Amino acid sequence: GAVVSQHPSRVICKSGTSVKIECRSLDFQATTMFWYRQFPKQSLMLMATSNEGSKATYEQGVEKDKFLINHASLTLSTLTVTSAHPEDSSFYICSARPTGTQETQYFGPGTRLLVL
Amino acid sequence: AQSVTQLDSQVPVFEEAPVELRCNYSSSVSVYLFWYVQYPNQGLQLLLKYLSGSTLVKGINGFEAEFNKSQTSFHLRKPSVHISDTAEYFCAVRGGPYGGATNKLIFGTGTLLAVQP
Repeated sequence: GAVVSQHPSRVICKSGTSVKIECRSLDFQATTMFWYRQFPKQSLMLMATSNEGSKATYEQGVEKDKFLINHASLTLSTLTVTSAHPEDSSFYICSARPTGTQETQYFGPGTRLLVL
Repeated sequence: AQSVTQLDSQVPVFEEAPVELRCNYSSSVSVYLFWYVQYPNQGLQLLLKYLSGSTLVKGINGFEAEFNKSQTSFHLRKPSVHISDTAEYFCAVRGGPYGGATNKLIFGTGTLLAVQP
């Protein structure tokens, strides 16, 4: 149980295009999902907290207009990197917190984005 | 606010030897503590967590960790490692039940456990 999927697992795109990454909780509902970014050999940095049916809360320094987050259902959150540039290349990981719990987050397998 | 320190960026160890990965945290409120493992090009998998109760927590794959409030530590241990344990290990902290609205997971910088034959 408690499986989180991400799609796609890796994507290569041209500079200036937009890329959408999906995060799904497969066997539980998640009112809250989180989006992280991880640079090579570094830790995870929280980008934003996504709550179903409301606007995401972005961390300081994260451009909300560049990283659009939508959490339209209790099992799906999407992150859209708009007008991607090479510096946006990174490993993006989502996590989901089961509704009704406060302690545990389950992580997706991550999406490797390469912007050329 | 909470913070996590993993002093060892890399820990080399021989197969079947014991290992300890260190984690220290700072917080002005009660905390929940976690250890996650990340295999190459994969997401994070929860190894174990401390929420309350017994300070010795047992997790998956034979790992355990001990919460030491006086030393603000949550070190991860395994008595005998395998080659397959080679991975990046992250310690994480977040505010506990009386820690207010601090519900964000704060991660350490990670420790690469390199098990050698």
